[in-house]
Amino acid sequence: DTAVSQTPKYLVTQMGNDKSIKCEQNLGHDTMYWYKQDSKKFLKIMFSYNNKELIINETVPNRFSPKSPDKAHLNLHINSLELGDSAVYFCASSQDRLSPDTQYFGPGTRLTVL
Amino acid sequence: QQQVKQSPQSLIVQKGGIPIINCAYENTAFDYFPWYQQFPGKGPALLIAIRPDVSEKKEGRFTISFNKSAKQFSLHIMDSQPGDSATYFCAASDRGGSEKLVFGKGTKLTVNP
Repeated sequence: DTAVSQTPKYLVTQMGNDKSIKCEQNLGHDTMYWYKQDSKKFLKIMFSYNNKELIINETVPNRFSPKSPDKAHLNLHINSLELGDSAVYFCASSQDRLSPDTQYFGPGTRLTVL
Repeated sequence: QQQVKQSPQSLIVQKGGIPIINCAYENTAFDYFPWYQQFPGKGPALLIAIRPDVSEKKEGRFTISFNKSAKQFSLHIMDSQPGDSATYFCAASDRGGSEKLVFGKGTKLTVNP
C-alpha cells in the first residue's frame, strides 16, 4: 500500500495553461506539505496544511493555490503556468504540525512547461 | 537566507570507501536533525536522525556525528556500496517552533563498483 501517492507522475503542458496535481496519504497524518524541487535538486517548501487549515505559505506566487478537502488529501492547482514552474513537485505528510522532521514523501510529479 | 549549509555538492567514492557529508546550521533553536536519502526518480526518505543531546548515532552503516558547540553535524557511510548512490539531504527543525523542515542543498553521492 502506497503511503503518500501523487497523480499524475508526469505533466507536460503549454505556457499559460492551468493544471492540478493531486496528493493523498493513507497514514492518518494530520499535516501535509507541498515542495518544489528544481533542477539543482534544491527542496523548497511551498505550503503546509494541518487538518485542512493552511499553516505555512512560503511567499509562493498566488498562481499556486493549494486545496485540502480533508486531512488525507492536499491538491495543488497552478494557474497561468510559466516556464519557471517546470520542476518536480513533491507532496509529503507528517504525523502532526509539531513533527515536521519526520516526513513521508510521495513519488513526485515532474511538471514540464513548454 | 540559507539556514543549513551542506557540503560537498557532489562526492564520488569507490566501493568500500567512507563518504562524509557535512552540514552546518545557524539557528540555535533547531533541536532535531534528520538526514533524507533520495534515489533518482523517487521522493526523499528519512534515513537517520539525531537530537543535539547526543554526539553520535549509528544505524547500520550510517552514522551521524553531532558537534553542538560548532553547530555542525555530518553523515558517514561505512563500507559504502553502489546501492548507496543517491542524493543526501541534511535538514533541521525547531519542534514546536517554525513547524517546518529546513533542508540543505543536497549532496549527490556516487559509489563506483
